[in-house]
Amino acid sequence: GQQLNQSPQSMFIQEGEDVSMNCTSSSIFNTWLWYKQDPGEGPVLLIALYKAGELTSNGRLTAQFGITRKDSFLNISASIPSDVGIYFCAGPLQNRDDKIIFGKGTRLHILP
Amino acid sequence: NAGVTQTPKFRILKIGQSMTLQCAQDMNHNYMYWYRQDPGMGLKLIYYSVGAGITDKGEVPNGYNVSRSTTEDFPLRLELAAPSQTSVYFCASSPRAGGVTDTQYFGPGTRLTVL
Repeated sequence: GQQLNQSPQSMFIQEGEDVSMNCTSSSIFNTWLWYKQDPGEGPVLLIALYKAGELTSNGRLTAQFGITRKDSFLNISASIPSDVGIYFCAGPLQNRDDKIIFGKGTRLHILP
Repeated sequence: NAGVTQTPKFRILKIGQSMTLQCAQDMNHNYMYWYRQDPGMGLKLIYYSVGAGITDKGEVPNGYNVSRSTTEDFPLRLELAAPSQTSVYFCASSPRAGGVTDTQYFGPGTRLTVL
């Protein structure tokens, strides 16, 4: 079935570094969503992408909808301690807007 | 608005026991969802509802049941708890307007342990 594969699984970076992560699928998605989950809380939507090739920013975060529609990328510039958490990509299962599936997440750790 | 609320926050069950996880939203959202998150994993969709009286299965529905008698409430029922159901359960809702995938608002989660 449809799956979302995220890489890397985890990252250890220094504060101030830029971060890049991606999400791929063997299936085409019409929408790509990026969520962040802080420890002990539910995920919060960061960026939503609706068109192939779309590049969208939210503060220091930038996400891109891959032109093949089978991948998406999230970049974080000049990381700060509050960026720590798990970043999930998500998309509609079988392109049905009412069923959203999630990748396994990329865990971001920031070294002191 | 309180947003999406879930009760209880924590629960320990014995194998074979049953329980209902409560979820409520006060945003008048049509769509509601139940996910489970196992350690080190992403969220798996259990069941979802597009409106009162309408529910449908997600990726991992076995062992669970849901009902949606009102717009506000979407309880998740475990009839015969099994250790494999140890997980953190998240409820979410979305307004579903405009024909595009809308933002999902998540509750704080219920941490369930089955021993």
